[in-house]
Amino acid sequence: DAGITQSPRYKITETGRQVTLMCHQTWSHSYMFWYRQDLGHGLRLIYYSAAADITDKGEVPDGYVVSRSKTENFPLTLESATRSQTSVYFCASTPGQAQPQHFGDGTRLSIL
Amino acid sequence: GQQVMQIPQYQHVQEGEDFTTYCNSSTTLSNIQWYKQRPGGHPVFLIQLVKSGEVKKQKRLTFQFGEAKKNSSLHITATQTTDVGTYFCAVLQTGANNLFFGTGTRLTVIP
Repeated sequence: DAGITQSPRYKITETGRQVTLMCHQTWSHSYMFWYRQDLGHGLRLIYYSAAADITDKGEVPDGYVVSRSKTENFPLTLESATRSQTSVYFCASTPGQAQPQHFGDGTRLSIL
Repeated sequence: GQQVMQIPQYQHVQEGEDFTTYCNSSTTLSNIQWYKQRPGGHPVFLIQLVKSGEVKKQKRLTFQFGEAKKNSSLHITATQTTDVGTYFCAVLQTGANNLFFGTGTRLTVIP
């Protein structure tokens, strides 16, 4: 979907480093989400946001920080990366809680 | 906690054969959505079901929502190589705030 973009697409970093994944959407959707995808686990929700300045934890929030100062942006920060955070990260947005979600192309993150 | 089981985890079929994946919840669902993720791609929304017993069709794909609103199925008739990918159900349990994704069924179609 051209309306939601993630950057970078690929990232390699070392344990203990801070890394920020960016997500930008142009639809003015209220809800935004961060998921991680690992083999055997499907998509697991890390954090979500219902509106600017409102964020909440999902299923696996430990080790992650989010912010949402503007409706269109929802960055995800790993403050001190660990190998267990190696994964593919997807950002998604939707206008309503129960409505279909639109996903970005994902960021493949490797932590050495 | 949320309990959503999706089966099978993997399915290999010959092109032209049918395919079905099932999504089962331990609690009543308000809403179920189905997504498809092509290899190397991102999940793409297919359909949403909200009514008990609902059946929806999209060309060769048939989606059903159980009468008790605890399970759903996706059936593909006469699979094609373009059907390859992982199919996820995503459920919204009654009273919950967010969708919960199943672990997916990875479909391989052998030409």
